[in-house]
Amino acid sequence: AQSVTQPDIHITVSEGASLELRCNYSYGATPYLFWYVQSPGQGLQLLLKYFSGDTLVQGIKGFEAEFKRSQSSFNLRKPSVHWSDAAEYFCAVGAAHNFGNEKLTFGTGTRLTIIP
Amino acid sequence: DGGITQSPKYLFRKEGQNVTLSCEQNLNHDAMYWYRQDPGQGLRLIYYSQIVNDFQKGDIAEGYSVSREKKESFPLTVTSAQKNPTAFYLCASAMDRELNQPQHFGDGTRLSIL
Repeated sequence: AQSVTQPDIHITVSEGASLELRCNYSYGATPYLFWYVQSPGQGLQLLLKYFSGDTLVQGIKGFEAEFKRSQSSFNLRKPSVHWSDAAEYFCAVGAAHNFGNEKLTFGTGTRLTIIP
Repeated sequence: DGGITQSPKYLFRKEGQNVTLSCEQNLNHDAMYWYRQDPGQGLRLIYYSQIVNDFQKGDIAEGYSVSREKKESFPLTVTSAQKNPTAFYLCASAMDRELNQPQHFGDGTRLSIL
């Protein structure tokens, strides 16, 4: 069964500093990987996705993520965070081949706090 | 603009009562999903539907029921059998051929017990 681990429950970063949120996955075949962001009391918004090809993917709001197969990781990065980036971030993994019963599996999330 | 509308935003349930959460989408998506979100547990899949008049149980379906009579609508009923219904409920949709791929989410319904 597929699984996703986000080892950091809560991260605090100063505004303007760089950010890296960790995501490790477990899946026996080629995964599809996603990062979502959730503001308080709202739904999830897709930041970026990896299906195949270039392992460095660019997303919205200046975020990027790098797929490293050897490390089973898909870490999210941003060179300079803004106060508006404070939110909860979820990594998710899905099967590249849909056999009819495969579903997205979400990590437990990382809450990002930005300090002035 | 296309999107997913969940209502109500807040809902209160009395003991022994069934309540229904609404989810409507105008994205022309075939697949729809219901998730439950609890603090520290991420999203857990309750039910999903890939096509009208068909749906499958997710990981935590006990105490919940759904229907999919129209492509646009996927209501979730939280029954009295669900003993711990207090949570944030999220509805999502995706194009069928993109099943298991990016999903579009509504803004959620927060359910509490009176």
